[in-house]
Amino acid sequence: GQNIDQPTEMTATEGAIVQINCTYQTSGFNGLFWYQQHAGEAPTFLSYNVLDGLEEKGRFSSFLSRSKGYSYLLLKELQMKDSASYLCAVRVFTGGGNKLTFGTGTQLKVEL
Amino acid sequence: KAGVTQTPRYLIKTRGQQVTLSCSPISGHRSVSWYQQTPGQGLQFLFEYFSETQRNKGNFPGRFSGRQFSNSRSEMNVSTLELGDSALYLCASRYRGQLNYEQYFGPGTRLTVT
Repeated sequence: GQNIDQPTEMTATEGAIVQINCTYQTSGFNGLFWYQQHAGEAPTFLSYNVLDGLEEKGRFSSFLSRSKGYSYLLLKELQMKDSASYLCAVRVFTGGGNKLTFGTGTQLKVEL
Repeated sequence: KAGVTQTPRYLIKTRGQQVTLSCSPISGHRSVSWYQQTPGQGLQFLFEYFSETQRNKGNFPGRFSGRQFSNSRSEMNVSTLELGDSALYLCASRYRGQLNYEQYFGPGTRLTVT
């Protein structure tokens, strides 16, 4: 099976930088996603990593180390609107195709 | 381009009943996946459909089933509802040729079983 771990909650200050970690144990790894979900809303796509390294997209960056089963999402210049749940999801290839397994999410609270 | 739509948005059912949820993907997206989201378990994969065929299935009992129509719209059915089926049911669509495998989620159907 798959096991994905990420912190349950984090708090950070507006304007600061925060790093949300995700570790996973899985077979058939075929990519890692980060999604953002505001309360009462649907998840929205942030990033996709399949190769080792850092992917940067504006204020958000995502890093992957496949050998360590580790990823992080880096949020810079935090804004109040960044308060949300951040979901790490691993794409796994099974016999029949690919499926996504999500972590339980990290609730980020941005304070003044 | 219109987003993913799901109907109904809210539903209250009684134990033992059955329910059908509907999802219309973004135009041009032929892959539709369904997820169950609960506070305790998070987002859990139910199944994926592509070209009217179920391509993958999560670890849910046979009471959960789905289908996809030729216009890519999908339905999900839960029979013999249990209290534990109360959850937010999300569907997501994607364009299969997209390299980053980005999925677009609908707003969800909030199912309450009493």
